[in-house]
Amino acid sequence: DIQMTQSPSSLSASVGDRVTITCRASQSIRTFLNWYQQEPGKAPNLLISSASTLQSGVPSRFSGSGSGTDFTLTISSLQPEDFTTFYCQQSYGSPPTFGQGTRVEIK
Amino acid sequence: QVQLVQSGAEVKEPGASVKVSCKASGYTFTTYYMHWVRQAPGQGLEWMGLINPSGGGTTYAQKFQGRVVMTKDTSTSTVYMVLYSLRSEDTAVYYCARVHSSGRAIDAFEIWGQGTMVTVSS
Repeated sequence: DIQMTQSPSSLSASVGDRVTITCRASQSIRTFLNWYQQEPGKAPNLLISSASTLQSGVPSRFSGSGSGTDFTLTISSLQPEDFTTFYCQQSYGSPPTFGQGTRVEIK
Repeated sequence: QVQLVQSGAEVKEPGASVKVSCKASGYTFTTYYMHWVRQAPGQGLEWMGLINPSGGGTTYAQKFQGRVVMTKDTSTSTVYMVLYSLRSEDTAVYYCARVHSSGRAIDAFEIWGQGTMVTVSS
């Protein structure tokens, strides 16, 4: 199985901050990398697919980059609704696997 | 609109089985693979398996092999997940999730059900 490692596991930031979350795959997954946001008590929401394709309706402050084994999710200016948990997921091969999550907390 | 609606919360005793349903609407049911993902309290996301709503073929995570069965009913656009021999560690929210691109088995999960809480307790 392809292991996905996110860092950091949690971070503290303020409204307006620029935040970067990293996801590393245990082998090359080309650009088959997706990012999700999950609010407490809700299902995950797909933000970015194929490493950098922003989903319809997702604010432009979110962006994704990377290929091969190293990927990043960047939030250019944190908003109050962004203090949630983010997950990466590889869709290169079966089984699809998730990172352990990154919790973004208010500083 | 495209949506997945899951069945309600369940409480089961250890050793029992649970059946969770996921009814799809707003798109052609047979053209998008469906997956099941679970999340234990305070934990991350764990993939359980997938079903091809067209032919009914399934692939299960090794961890659940022999203990999970996924089926579909095309007439009602519903997929089902049955988990047998429940133990306390199976307490979790169970989600169905539809892939982003038609015809792709492994893909981003674009559409999610609202989740079904399954509690295993004596």
